[in-house]
Amino acid sequence: AQKITQTQPGMFVQEKEAVTLDCTYDTSDPSYGLFWYKQPSSGEMIFLIYQGSYDQQNATEGRYSLNFQKARKSANLVISASQLGDSAMYFCAMRGSETYKYIFGTGTRLKVLA
Amino acid sequence: DGGITQSPKYLFRKEGQNVTLSCEQNLNHDAMYWYRQDPGQGLRLIYYSQIVNDFQKGDIAEGYSVSREKKESFPLTVTSAQKNPTAFYLCASSFGVFTGELFFGEGSRLTVL
Repeated sequence: AQKITQTQPGMFVQEKEAVTLDCTYDTSDPSYGLFWYKQPSSGEMIFLIYQGSYDQQNATEGRYSLNFQKARKSANLVISASQLGDSAMYFCAMRGSETYKYIFGTGTRLKVLA
Repeated sequence: DGGITQSPKYLFRKEGQNVTLSCEQNLNHDAMYWYRQDPGQGLRLIYYSQIVNDFQKGDIAEGYSVSREKKESFPLTVTSAQKNPTAFYLCASSFGVFTGELFFGEGSRLTVL
């Protein structure tokens, strides 16, 4: 069975500093994709970044980077130079190669302090 | 603009009533999904559909039903059998089997009175 674990219910970070949101996963699929989404208070889900299990390099998208450690089954999101607008819920998600199902973690609520 | 449209955004229902949440996409995506989100929790999969006229149960399908008669549409019915239907419901779609992120609608918030 597939599982995503986010162990940080809430995080605080000072504006302009970097923050790491943790995500570990479990799957028996030979290949899989890992995703991070942002959910502001309005409720919409915003796609941030994707990492394929066979990608050699860690994914980056602007201020977002994914620290992918396959052996440890972790896919942590790093946000650099935090902004007030980064305050939101952040979800890690995974999809295996054998299924259309995307599964989500329970999320981390990030609060950026001025 | 391409995207996913969910309606209504807010819905109130009396106990014992069925309600249907609409989800329409014009992204030409094959796969569509319904998720439920409770306060402070992650997303749980209700149903998903890979192609027209085919759908599969997710992790919490009891008390829900869906149809997929058109590629663009994937409505969700919350039946009176659903014990605790008050929640935020998100519809999503994806392009293909092994590629692509989920694209989400803005969500529908259902409250049972």
